[in-house]
Order: sequence, then C-alpha cells, then structure tokens
Amino acid sequence: NAGVTQTPKFQVLKTGQSMTLQCAQDMNHNSMYWYRQDPGMGLRLIYYSASEGTTDKGEVPNGYNVSRLNKREFSLRLESAAPSQTSVYFCASSDQMGGFLLISTDTQYFGPGTRLTVL
Amino acid sequence: GQSLEQPSEVTAVEGAIVQINCTYQTSGFYGLSWYQQHDGGAPTFLSYNALDGLEETGRFSSFLSRSDSYGYLLLQELQMKDSASYFCAFQTGANNLFFGTGTRLTVIP
Repeated sequence: NAGVTQTPKFQVLKTGQSMTLQCAQDMNHNSMYWYRQDPGMGLRLIYYSASEGTTDKGEVPNGYNVSRLNKREFSLRLESAAPSQTSVYFCASSDQMGGFLLISTDTQYFGPGTRLTVL
Repeated sequence: GQSLEQPSEVTAVEGAIVQINCTYQTSGFYGLSWYQQHDGGAPTFLSYNALDGLEETGRFSSFLSRSDSYGYLLLQELQMKDSASYFCAFQTGANNLFFGTGTRLTVIP
C-alpha cells in the first residue's frame, strides 16, 4: 500500500515549456486534489476532483489544467510554464464523496510533492 | 472572504506544553483540521474538530469554539521530533480545505 505517489520528484523547466505532473493513489479514494505550496506559505488548492469524471477549480487554477484519468490517477498540466509557477506541488486524496457533507474529517493524505522550478 | 490567522513561529522547551492558536473567518464552516509538516516533507493529518470542545489523540489535543471562530492545537510532553510546521485548515464544504500559512514550532533542549 503505497498511499499517494507523485512523479517526478524534481523538475526544472524553461519559461514556456509544458509538462504534466502525475499523481496516483491506491486507497480507493473518491476525491483527489492538487495544491501548491510557495516558500513559507500554506497550501493553496489548484484543482480538485470529487469523483471520477469530475473536476473543479480551486483557489488558484489559472495556468493549470487537470485530468482525472480514472479513480486512481489525477494529473496536473502546465501548458506554458511561467516563473510564478515555481513551487512545490502536492497531490492529495480523501475518501469523502463529492457533494456529500459528512460530520467527519475531510482527512487528506498527501503525496511526497514535486519540486518545480521554472527559469 | 476567507482567512485564517495563526502565529508564524513558536519556540518551546523539550518536555513542555505548547499551544498554537488559530482564528478563522469564513461564511461556510464544517470543521477545523490540523496538519503537521516537517521540512521537505508532506503534510500529515493530526486532528479534526467538527463540534465545539476538545479532541485528544495521544500527546496532541485540539480545541474548537465555533462561536468564537477559534481553535488551538495543544502539544504535550514536547519532543525534538515535534519541531515542524503546523497548519490549521478549515473545511468549507465536502471537498475543500482552506489552509493557514502555518506555525513553525522549534523545540529546544
């Protein structure tokens, strides 16, 4: 049981290049998330997917696209990287059903992160 | 709008007790979570409060007062390994956590 895995761990891009960050979870969770964390800051939600086949914008979606390929995988794409997208990117998953409010924690399980530098 | 306030840094002595406060402002609120993050690592879940009161999990406790829009994390019997950043996050809906900017805890001998 690997939990949440992310690839790559590190990446350096030039301005204007594109790339896709991969995320997979083996906990059979319905919900998956992409966050970015800038130095000394908290996590900001980029996009999330409440269930297979659905995606929604978070707090900072501009410059990103996502794909929920299946229940296990949720990818984040940067079409034209900019220096402002230099950050650490975390993928997370949780077992809450989309749109179903529970009196329980939206405990999120995080991957190890991808450290992205855009020059 | 939505906001969370927590102290940026706290220093405490090994074996002591430390409290990290968190105040929030939001129109939709379903609970307050706490996450721990060591340098270079991923956030890991510590505790959650949906209702007012104290939740205890080993050396860690978390408190929530919904009427005061306030919560805190209490760490007892501090150990050196507790040196990390601690984030409070409120749950605004079924699929959304809004994180604070974190409190960096340094435990000194």
